[in-house]
Parts: sequence; C-alpha cells; structure tokens
Amino acid sequence: NAGVTQTPKFRVLKTGQSMTLLCAQDMNHEYMYWYRQDPGMGLRLIHYSVGEGTTAKGEVPDGYNVSRLKKQNFLLGLESAAPSQTSVYFCASSYPRGERAKGEAFFGQGTRLTVV
Amino acid sequence: QQQVKQSPQSLIVQKGGISIINCAYENTAFDYFPWYQQFPGKGPALLIAIRPDVSEKKEGRFTISFNKSAKQFSLHIMDSQPGDSATYFCAANQAGTALIFGKGTTLSVSS
Repeated sequence: NAGVTQTPKFRVLKTGQSMTLLCAQDMNHEYMYWYRQDPGMGLRLIHYSVGEGTTAKGEVPDGYNVSRLKKQNFLLGLESAAPSQTSVYFCASSYPRGERAKGEAFFGQGTRLTVV
Repeated sequence: QQQVKQSPQSLIVQKGGISIINCAYENTAFDYFPWYQQFPGKGPALLIAIRPDVSEKKEGRFTISFNKSAKQFSLHIMDSQPGDSATYFCAANQAGTALIFGKGTTLSVSS
C-alpha cells in the first residue's frame, strides 16, 4: 500500500541547474497537488491538477512548471534553480469532494531540496 | 493576502493539559475545514475535519469548534500527551480547489 510516493527524497542542486520532482499515487485520485514547506511559512500551494492533462497555478507558482500526462503521476519541474527554492516539497492527492469522498488529501514523505 | 491565519506559532503544554490552536479565514466560500498533524520528517496527515453546517466535531481527545459568523475555527486537544507533540496545520477550501493551509503551530507537550 504505497499511497503517494515522491522521488527523490533528497537533492542538492547548483544555482541554474534544472531538475524534475516526480510524484506517483496509486489510489486513483483525480486531484494532485504540489506544496512547498518553509520554516514559519506553513505549506504553500505551488500548482495543482484536477485531472489528467489539466494544471492550475497556486499561491507561489513562479519558477516552477508542472505536467500531468498520466492520472497517477504529477511532475514538478525547476528550469533554473535558485537558492530561494531551497525547501521541502510535498506532493499530495485526493478525490474530489462528493458523496463518496470527504476531500482528504494524502501526502507523500517529502523531497528536501537544497540549492547552493 | 493570507487566506488562513493560524495562531499561536508555537505552544508548550503540560501533560494532561488542554492545547488550543486557533484559525481564522477570509473566504466565505470555504466549506471544508480540516486539521492536519505532521511529525518531523513525515508528510502531514489528516487529523479531523469539519463542515460549516455544524459548530463542533469531536473525535476522541480532539475537538474542532467552528464559528461561522466570526469566520474562525479552533482545535482543542484534551488530556494532551507527549505523543501529541507535532506541528499542526489548519486548512480550508471549497469544492474543486486545493487546500489552503495556515502557517502551522508547533506543539510541545512536556512530561
């Protein structure tokens, strides 16, 4: 019972490098999200997706891109990493709220990214 | 504009005491108010949630109180235990949108 799996768990990047964070969920959830967590700032929404092939911007989307080519995967890309993107990144997924689902979001274990 | 404001930032409670964390929201369209618990090195996990059609929900030692007119909701942890030491986040959203989280409260329960 894997739930939400994030890859990698840790990464150190140099300023200007690019990378992709992978999120995979095995719960057949329609919705998927990317958040970043910084001390004293809580969880801030970067981008989210309400279904395969759709994406939407959250609170802090600048410097990030996302893709949802398959229902079970949600990729977060950093084209040119900056030290301000040093953070812990969390992926989450959920059913849309309705009769059969309360809207609970399930989170992965996080990816700790350091940009030097 | 911060849509969900959470206080306090940190809280120290004696074992057996009551922990209270407060949140206020701006958007009157929000209709789902969960609390998440996060332990170090882990992702947040749903603790308890409430809809605006009720004023209180209780699950074991955890209770949410909701005041729709004041646009506020709070988490009460009764008989707090050292194992409750964690970071707590309130959140809110409306159907079809992502959860918006507060900044979190770090709870330490001393034995």
